[in-house]
Amino acid sequence: DAMVIQNPRYQVTQFGKPVTLSCSQTLNHNVMYWYQQKSSQAPKLLFHYYDKDFNNEADTPDNFQSRRPNTSFCFLDIRSPGLGDAAMYLCATSRVGEGRETQYFGPGTRLLVL
Amino acid sequence: AQSVTQPDIHITVSEGASLELRCNYSYGATPYLFWYVQSPGQGLQLLLKYFSGDTLVQGIKGFEAEFKRSQSSFNLRKPSVHWSDAAEYFCAAGVKTSYDKVIFGPGTSLSVIP
Repeated sequence: DAMVIQNPRYQVTQFGKPVTLSCSQTLNHNVMYWYQQKSSQAPKLLFHYYDKDFNNEADTPDNFQSRRPNTSFCFLDIRSPGLGDAAMYLCATSRVGEGRETQYFGPGTRLLVL
Repeated sequence: AQSVTQPDIHITVSEGASLELRCNYSYGATPYLFWYVQSPGQGLQLLLKYFSGDTLVQGIKGFEAEFKRSQSSFNLRKPSVHWSDAAEYFCAAGVKTSYDKVIFGPGTSLSVIP
């Protein structure tokens, strides 16, 4: 089945130690998104890639970066995680241009910062 | 400003009872509308979506939603709730920009009493 995959499902890191979260998709979608979701809150968009074009939300901290080496993969890099960065990180994809612009989500990666 | 509201933060229903989750949107035009469900520790799963046409939309797991333009609402319903429906439900509006920007409501937490 076509899907959005996130690895790992759980990630523990230390305060200030860089961490990378991974997302891959078999949907061949041209847009990939990263969201941060804290407990009992709605997902908050951090940034997205439209093909190779990176689009950062205005209020996304510089501590968060992303890479998309090819259509299928997208990475979220947190350069110096703080305690406040502990959250669920959700990857989503969509295909612009087909008139069915729906975002499909992966299972998420739960990040714990010690 | 574009926004999505879900007036009920938490709802508790008995198993077998009917369910209605409320959603209102604020947008200049008719947005694309979605309902997502999130089980604890999981990603978001698309329940149903409305783009145009028939205002009563059928989704997965026995859910349906009705779009009412006059009320700017997109309420989610299910005639008989199962214990496995306990989860967080997010209403979302898709806004047409250069990509598929989605505005999420704050979510409604559903508890089901056996």
